[in-house]
Amino acid sequence: DVKVTQSSRYLVKRTGEKVFLECVQDMDHENMFWYRQDPGLGLRLIYFSYDVKMKEKGDIPEGYSVSREKKERFSLILESASTNQTSMYLCASRMRLAAYNEQFFGPGTRLTVL
Amino acid sequence: ELKVEQNPLFLSMQEGKNYTIYCNYSTTSDRLYWYRQDPGKSLESLFVLLSNGAVKQEGRLMASLDTKARLSTLHITAAVHDLSATYFCAVVSLRNDMRFGAGTRLTVKP
Repeated sequence: DVKVTQSSRYLVKRTGEKVFLECVQDMDHENMFWYRQDPGLGLRLIYFSYDVKMKEKGDIPEGYSVSREKKERFSLILESASTNQTSMYLCASRMRLAAYNEQFFGPGTRLTVL
Repeated sequence: ELKVEQNPLFLSMQEGKNYTIYCNYSTTSDRLYWYRQDPGKSLESLFVLLSNGAVKQEGRLMASLDTKARLSTLHITAAVHDLSATYFCAVVSLRNDMRFGAGTRLTVKP
């Protein structure tokens, strides 16, 4: 079974802190994604990566950055956390960009910024 | 820009009844996914629809895709309480990233 894990299920941070969210997948997937989920808005794509050291902006990249130094790991960084970044963050991975493959999700990290 | 719209956003139904959730999308795509999310949990894949006219069924859920109308439906037959969850449709964009609808929160009452 594909396994996508996220470093924390719940996280509480203060405004202005630098926050790291880690995601690891164990199935050698090339593509990895970070979404945030807010009530009534569905999932919105923040960033995605189709290879090591490669990244592409999604719909809402402002205030976020990402790092992909190893194929299995994709990190989301909040350089200076703000209260409007309080949300559920979901990581996902998929085998190949152009193939008809399913996208698998991690359990999510619920981040609260005070 | 690809937009995905679901309706209804909230659905309360009695056990044993039938209902349909609709998913419209704005630009051409040949891949549509349905996911289920239970409260506090992540997304679980239900169906992958890859071509016009595709129909897939699993238990009391049946999904179909009409690429010409840019419409997918998720039909619920004889609903049971265990089906209570939030259902999302998602469409793959030209950039090959996945765009989601806002979700339909389904509550099945006894």
